[in-house]
Amino acid sequence: GAGVSQSPSNKVTEKGKDVELRCDPISGHTALYWYRQSLGQGLEFLIYFQGNSAPDKSGLPSDRFSAERTGGSVSTLTIQRTQQEDSAVYLCASSLGTGGKLFFGSGTQLSVL
Amino acid sequence: KQEVTQIPAALSVPEGENLVLNCSFTDSAIYNLQWFRQDPGKGLTSLLLIQSSQREQTSGRLNASLDKSSGRSTLYIAASQPGDSATYLCAVRDGGATNKLIFGTGTLLAVQP
Repeated sequence: GAGVSQSPSNKVTEKGKDVELRCDPISGHTALYWYRQSLGQGLEFLIYFQGNSAPDKSGLPSDRFSAERTGGSVSTLTIQRTQQEDSAVYLCASSLGTGGKLFFGSGTQLSVL
Repeated sequence: KQEVTQIPAALSVPEGENLVLNCSFTDSAIYNLQWFRQDPGKGLTSLLLIQSSQREQTSGRLNASLDKSSGRSTLYIAASQPGDSATYLCAVRDGGATNKLIFGTGTLLAVQP
């Protein structure tokens, strides 16, 4: 597609449930990032994929968070046993290579009740 | 650890004024710096990307400068318009192996008609 696509745009879940958030990067972009933006907070880095290299997972806040990128394209961010503090907007971005401009999706608003 | 600060946190100006947004970072070993705008409920839109070897970049009414040695960047907006109202974020890409972007907390700009 023309831009980075994220789904769902909104997700409401109950505490303790697992959720999966999807990101379709711009075609041909080898770098993919996940960020989290909590209300009134800055963007928090979560994880970074570059081509076939091992992902940089240094920003994942706990072992309940994991992410995959299949076939070097679509990525899924999974949060297990969700907690209320996981409520935030989850943003995905991609770039052409490691040093290029980042293009962001519109995000997934996650609400954990 | 790289830290990015943006001042002011909020700014309100009348339409037509020129304005400057500030961004500072603690570690000058950066690969590049990007300015973004974020509209309410939306993702981020890249405005300008300055490589570490560059001093400034211009796009239309926007001009971004970079002084890497002092850890500062400015975003100059000429002849502001109500449509410029948004949150402006700067982000530095670390020069190390991680390649992640570290974001500031943003400046909320309101341009009054």
